[in-house]
Amino acid sequence: RKEVEQDPGPFNVPEGATVAFNCTYSNSASQSFFWYRQDCRKEPKLLMSVYSSGNEDGRFTAQLNRASQYISLLIRDSKLSDSATYLCSTSGGSNYKLTFGKGTLLTVNP
Amino acid sequence: GAVVSQHPSWVICKSGTSVKIECRSLDFQATTMFWYRQFPKQSLMLMATSNEGSKATYEQGVEKDKFLINHASLTLSTLTVTSAHPEDSSFYICSARSGEWRQPQHFGDGTRLSIL
Repeated sequence: RKEVEQDPGPFNVPEGATVAFNCTYSNSASQSFFWYRQDCRKEPKLLMSVYSSGNEDGRFTAQLNRASQYISLLIRDSKLSDSATYLCSTSGGSNYKLTFGKGTLLTVNP
Repeated sequence: GAVVSQHPSWVICKSGTSVKIECRSLDFQATTMFWYRQFPKQSLMLMATSNEGSKATYEQGVEKDKFLINHASLTLSTLTVTSAHPEDSSFYICSARSGEWRQPQHFGDGTRLSIL
């Protein structure tokens, strides 16, 4: 089983739609959780950290369920500029290296 | 915000050439830097973890003699791909983190390496 698994996608949604990304992780020692976005042929950029209490940043909401080892990202009122690959990542263990999922490609259509 | 600069952005070389990639944290001290490789449509794969002033820790399957990592200062790490071959062509990305392990990593803008 892969350490971090995401919805395979791709997702194609119209502007204004709400889209949800799901992610599960297998390492129960994981202690930090993040969502990154990666544009085509570019480096990943941090979108938001994910906290146990859940957190929101504008149109983006992240949730963490430690018991289920599940992380989610919700994008409301999606924009064309939200089109990218969304990467779920966890950090933990002896050197707190990041482990990434394969990513889910989102395309928002006009 | 935290800025990480990576250089060069693109490299095209003949087979057998050694290629050096630099990763710099511009506005913070990076006690730990990470090197990743990403093949098309694949996830980021960690190659090695580099701590300032000590030897890098390589992931399983990554040849330390082929991918030389130096982290001589708190703002600079280098990756040298020695005697590169076409199968080494990939997108190489570094990231840096301050001493606080809970903090996210910030990525350089990547180096696209093409070996002919």
